[in-house]
Amino acid sequence: QKEVEQNSGPLSVPEGAIASLNCTYSDRGSQSFFWYRQYSGKSPELIMFIYSNGDKEDGRFTAQLNKASQYVSLLIRDSQPSDSATYLCAAQRGNTGFQKLVFGTGTRLLVSP
Amino acid sequence: DTAVSQTPKYLVTQMGNDKSIKCEQNLGHDTMYWYKQDSKKFLKIMFSYNNKELIINETVPNRFSPKSPDKAHLNLHINSLELGDSAVYFCASSSDRVGQPQHFGDGTRLSIL
Repeated sequence: QKEVEQNSGPLSVPEGAIASLNCTYSDRGSQSFFWYRQYSGKSPELIMFIYSNGDKEDGRFTAQLNKASQYVSLLIRDSQPSDSATYLCAAQRGNTGFQKLVFGTGTRLLVSP
Repeated sequence: DTAVSQTPKYLVTQMGNDKSIKCEQNLGHDTMYWYKQDSKKFLKIMFSYNNKELIINETVPNRFSPKSPDKAHLNLHINSLELGDSAVYFCASSSDRVGQPQHFGDGTRLSIL
């Protein structure tokens, strides 16, 4: 079992719809969770991070964390064609100065005009 | 201003050669990382340095030798390059406080002929 699992997709949504990206993790010691967006040929770019159970909103993006279910999600409201990219979920564990980020394989999102 | 910069952007070389990739960050972070992203886009940590000290070594072949001359720089030297080393190598940095995100450089695309 991979430490961080994501459906590879592609997830196809029409412009203006809500895109829902999901991620599960196996290590209960994971403390913080990150969503990165990666366009083809580019580097990962931080979208959001969350470390408390519940929802965290930032503009069109909402991250959700459920530690009991070991589940993290990212909702993108009013999806735009420019949101088409691979979304990487990552779980972080460790202490100060000794932290490790484990990535999922990413979900490819396609937003059609 | 580039936060995490790595050079070169592209590296094309023959099997058996030795090559180096350099990384610098101007974010004042204490921790730097090297990641490898393979052809299936899986991003995996290779090394982590905190204040010039090696913290994480993810069972990477000893042909790969990282060096951190100071906490703003982390270089990667690869000896006797093999076909399987072809990948994109990303440098990243972060604060060493728990829960802080990592910021990535633009990547170095290494192609072995």
